[in-house]
Amino acid sequence: QSVLTQPPSVSGAPGQRVTISCTGSSSSIGGGYDVHWYKQVPGLAPKLLIYANSNRPSGVPDRISGSKSGTSASLAITGLQAEDEAEYYCQSYDNILRAWVFGGGTKLTVL
Amino acid sequence: QITLKESGPTLLKPTQTLTLTCTFSGFSLSRSGVGVGWIRQPPGKALEWLALVYWDDDKAYSPSLKSRLTITKDTSKNQVVLTMTNMDPVDTGTYYCAHRRWGSPDWFDPWGQGTLVTVSS
Repeated sequence: QSVLTQPPSVSGAPGQRVTISCTGSSSSIGGGYDVHWYKQVPGLAPKLLIYANSNRPSGVPDRISGSKSGTSASLAITGLQAEDEAEYYCQSYDNILRAWVFGGGTKLTVL
Repeated sequence: QITLKESGPTLLKPTQTLTLTCTFSGFSLSRSGVGVGWIRQPPGKALEWLALVYWDDDKAYSPSLKSRLTITKDTSKNQVVLTMTNMDPVDTGTYYCAHRRWGSPDWFDPWGQGTLVTVSS
């Protein structure tokens, strides 16, 4: 069981907007630690999508955004495209475990 | 351009020791602020952070695996080595090394392609 909780799956039609939540606790996200997001296509390594809650690395389109509030964070994808179909992971830190922690992953299906 | 690549055995027997090498280019582990981490992923399951080594040789380990893990760096060879003792079938998975980016907390970018390790008798 992951320290950060994500929905197992979300789906949406092309062009629609979807959000993926990442819920932590007072010792992780709520403790002031930032949240980072990764996208993993089957068979490939994870790739950084969002860092420090809401920052996009070069090459990530602006239809992808992130936010953080309290003990949770969210990843939003608008204008859904077939290439968005993948597994998405959030990552932060837990100061009780003293460990970098990942969410359980969310599979995004484009209908 | 930063690149990393993992290498090591693909098949191990239970109780054996795993030794993985991460060979990287595009950065130096002797430069202040730099770090390399290891993360693994059992088949069909989530990512799990294992260990991190910094430019100043400071190290961090997953609390649940700390007794079995050792991470070392060889700056001259641009390599980081992870050893995990007493391997078990539940340790089967893809093992990734990744470049650490400073943050609160640190994040990992980019990642190596990963190497699949199977533990079976």
